[in-house]
Amino acid sequence: EVQLVESGGGLVQPGGSLRLSCAASGFTFSNYWIHWVRQAPGKGLVWVSRISSDGSTTTYADSVKGRFTISRDNAKNTLYLQMNSLRAEDTAVYYCARVQRGGYFDYWGQGTLVTVSS
Amino acid sequence: DIQMTQSPSSLSASVGDRVTITCRASQSISNYLNWYQQKPGKAPKVLISVASSLQSGVPSRFSGSGSGTDFTLTISSLQPEDFATFYCQQSYSTPYTFGQGTKLEIK
Repeated sequence: EVQLVESGGGLVQPGGSLRLSCAASGFTFSNYWIHWVRQAPGKGLVWVSRISSDGSTTTYADSVKGRFTISRDNAKNTLYLQMNSLRAEDTAVYYCARVQRGGYFDYWGQGTLVTVSS
Repeated sequence: DIQMTQSPSSLSASVGDRVTITCRASQSISNYLNWYQQKPGKAPKVLISVASSLQSGVPSRFSGSGSGTDFTLTISSLQPEDFATFYCQQSYSTPYTFGQGTKLEIK
């Protein structure tokens, strides 16, 4: 069974940092590109970042470029999102999602809530 | 960035109704359009990929159509479990943008 399990969310002050993890199981993690998508409370879905299967290619939304870093450890079947210089507008549930050819997200994690507040 | 506009933003319908949600892209995206259903407190679930391909396990009452800039999601006969929020998403180019969502409520 394919599973993606996020962790690392929590309450952080503006300007602070947090690292999210996404542990994958049930499939060959190193074969897939993985994305982060976030959802502010009561709002819609917003794409954040993606990383290629081997980690050599990364892409970011303009809103997080220069502050967030996506990475992966294929030996540990784990995806990461290092979030620095956090702002109130980064408050959201963060989902990791596996992408299939064609660009659709076929499996999602349950999400982890990040709250940026003083 | 490609803007995705869904309509309506909310919709009230009854069990058994036929419902159509539309999604318009700000530029042509060929058929790189996907539809998701999200229930409160849950992750989104893909229903339709590349405009019209029904995902495994998704009931056949869901269908998608369109190409270029205009797309539709149709539910042929609403069931109680279908009431949720629906999102379109373009995968033509990054950033992969979503529509603002359509909340489908029970009349």
